[in-house]
Amino acid sequence: EAGVAQSPRYKIIEKRQSVAFWCNPISGHATLYWYQQILGQGPKLLIQFQNNGVVDDSQLPKDRFSAERLKGVDSTLKIQPAKLEDSAVYLCASSLAGQGRDTQYFGPGTRLTVL
Amino acid sequence: AQSVSQHNHHVILSEAASLELGCNYSYGGTVNLFWYVQYPGQHLQLLLKYFSGDPLVKGIKGFEAEFIKSKFSFNLRKPSVQWSDTAEYFCAVIPNTGGFKTIFGAGTRLFVKA
Repeated sequence: EAGVAQSPRYKIIEKRQSVAFWCNPISGHATLYWYQQILGQGPKLLIQFQNNGVVDDSQLPKDRFSAERLKGVDSTLKIQPAKLEDSAVYLCASSLAGQGRDTQYFGPGTRLTVL
Repeated sequence: AQSVSQHNHHVILSEAASLELGCNYSYGGTVNLFWYVQYPGQHLQLLLKYFSGDPLVKGIKGFEAEFIKSKFSFNLRKPSVQWSDTAEYFCAVIPNTGGFKTIFGAGTRLFVKA
C-alpha cells in the first residue's frame, strides 16, 4: 500500500514570497490533515478535510494560509506572503474516516525555511 | 483551551532500563488517546491507541500505556528499552466533540545508549 506522498521535501524562500505544498493521501482515505511542526514542538493541526469539505480550520492563519482539497483526493497548502515564523515542517496525514479513533498516516513532511 | 503536556523533553537511558514517559491532557469529556513515534529519518507512525475498555493497552514493539482517568494521564511504558527505541515520542489526544480535532504534545526525545 502506498503511503502519504508530499512534495517538495525541502523549500527555502525569502520572506514575503509565496510557497505551495502538495499532498496525496492514501487511496480511499476520506480525511486529510495538514499540520505545522515548529522545531522543538509537536505537530499543530492547521486544517482538517473530510472528503473535500473543511471540518476544522480554527488554527489556520487565514490572512496568509490557504488550503484546498479539490475532488476530495489530493490537497495543496499555500502560504502567501511567508513570514520568518512560518519556518517549520509541514506534515500531511490521512485517515479512513476521521471520527476520532482512526490511525493517522503521515507523510515525510516538507521542511520550509523562510529567510 | 485543550492541551497536552509531556513532562520530559529529553530522556537518556541505557539498554535494558525501564521507560516511562508521561502524558497529561486538559479536557473534561471523553477522549481518544494515542502515542505516535518518529524514528530517525522516518515518518511519524502509530505506536498504540486507546478509546475505551481495559485502561492498559498494548502496542507494537513491547510498548504499553495506561489510561488513568482521574489523573487525565496516558503514560507510555516499556520494561526494557533497546538501542532501536531511540526516537521521538508524541502523545496525542482527540476529544470526542464535533470535528474530532487532534492535539499533540511537544514530544519526548529518547536516546538509548548501547
